[in-house]
Amino acid sequence: EIVLTQSPGTLSLSPGERATLSCRASHSVSSIYLAWYQQKPGQAPRLLIWGASSRATGIPDRFSGSGSGTDFTLTISRLEPEDFAVYYCQQYVSSPWTFGQGTKVEIK
Amino acid sequence: EVQLVESGGGLVKPGGSLRLSCVASGFSFSNAWMSWVRQAPGKGLEWVGRIKRKTDGETTDYAAPVKGRFTILRDDSRNTLYLQVNSLRTEDTAVYYCVRPKSVDYGDYEVIGAFDIWGQGTMVTVSS
Repeated sequence: EIVLTQSPGTLSLSPGERATLSCRASHSVSSIYLAWYQQKPGQAPRLLIWGASSRATGIPDRFSGSGSGTDFTLTISRLEPEDFAVYYCQQYVSSPWTFGQGTKVEIK
Repeated sequence: EVQLVESGGGLVKPGGSLRLSCVASGFSFSNAWMSWVRQAPGKGLEWVGRIKRKTDGETTDYAAPVKGRFTILRDDSRNTLYLQVNSLRTEDTAVYYCVRPKSVDYGDYEVIGAFDIWGQGTMVTVSS
């Protein structure tokens, strides 16, 4: 099983700042098998990034993904008020598909 | 409109059973792999399992904590996905989401796995 470890657990930032979220895999993951999601309280998650760097439909370009091998990054270039949420990475290269434990981006 | 609508959740005693349903609309259900993801209260996301499309053998795969107790089924004639949950434990208490893994064609091969469509979730509570 591929374990995904996200860091930090919580990121305290102000609107307008840059957010950098990390996702580290226990085994190498081809970048085409890595996704990022955003979840707000009381809502289902929403796909942000697939294939490590491709934005899903309707996702603003302030969200970007990068990385390869075991290290992946989600960057939010300038935080908007609606971006404060929990973010998860997920791998789908091998079963069981797994998620990271999440990073909460909170208002400082 | 593309959507997934789950139903069937509720309160059940340990050892009990439930069948969750998910009705799909707005996309080609029969051509899609489908999956279930759950989220315990205040916790992160956990993949439960998946079922491939008929042309891929309709095979299933499950996470270790549910293997042997949960079964994923599909009825393409009804655009409906099911999750039969048996021998329920308190740790199965969660919101259960029906999800569609996105299919990406890279020419020589197809990659399926990022969840681009989510249902609203149905709550399963296991308690005596």
